[in-house]
Amino acid sequence: EAGVVQSPRYKIIEKKQPVAFWCNPISGHNTLYWYLQNLGQGPELLIRYENEEAVDDSQLPKDRFSAERLKGVDSTLKIQPAELGDSAVYLCASSLGPNLYNEQFFGPGTRLTVL
Amino acid sequence: SQKIEQNSEALNIQEGKTATLTCNYTNYSPAYLQWYRQDPGRGPVFLLLIRENEKEKRKERLKVTFDTTLKQSLFHITASQPADSATYLCALYNYGQNFVFGPGTRLSVLP
Repeated sequence: EAGVVQSPRYKIIEKKQPVAFWCNPISGHNTLYWYLQNLGQGPELLIRYENEEAVDDSQLPKDRFSAERLKGVDSTLKIQPAELGDSAVYLCASSLGPNLYNEQFFGPGTRLTVL
Repeated sequence: SQKIEQNSEALNIQEGKTATLTCNYTNYSPAYLQWYRQDPGRGPVFLLLIRENEKEKRKERLKVTFDTTLKQSLFHITASQPADSATYLCALYNYGQNFVFGPGTRLSVLP
């Protein structure tokens, strides 16, 4: 069974440019998460989806970040415009359903460098 | 303020010994706590979950304890091996909120 797929794996952009990350969760997983991870820190939740509905986006900086989950499957996270402080690893995770006892399966992440 | 702390950033132990990692939390009321392993350049991988009404969970060489009075979870790896070297993250689910991860502890098992 394929795991969570993310692309690209690496992205280097200049500040003020837009950037987008894509995530394909494990088939059948209704819950999808986007996290941000800085070096030496744990992941920080940005947004959680149940199917196509964003049920928790309280930590998403909405002035520059946006996300969508098309038809409750794939998801895209966008930053526009990017700032130097956005350099981090962006992780996508999925789980079976809304029962939060379910373990999360993480993708390999996208490492973003903003110059 | 709410806080999750894990014992020192890095822990070095000798192969064959038991590694003990600590996760302490402040001002959370976790329904449960999870432990994940993360290797460099990869996403975290789920290891164990322990609920608030459970004292201890085991899986092969892994053992987790959860003390809601001390507000602490301990994660043990017995008979440690160099392949156990990784960063270990604790994550708690706070009632009515969401997952919160600790900063992680980087474990190195020396041959």
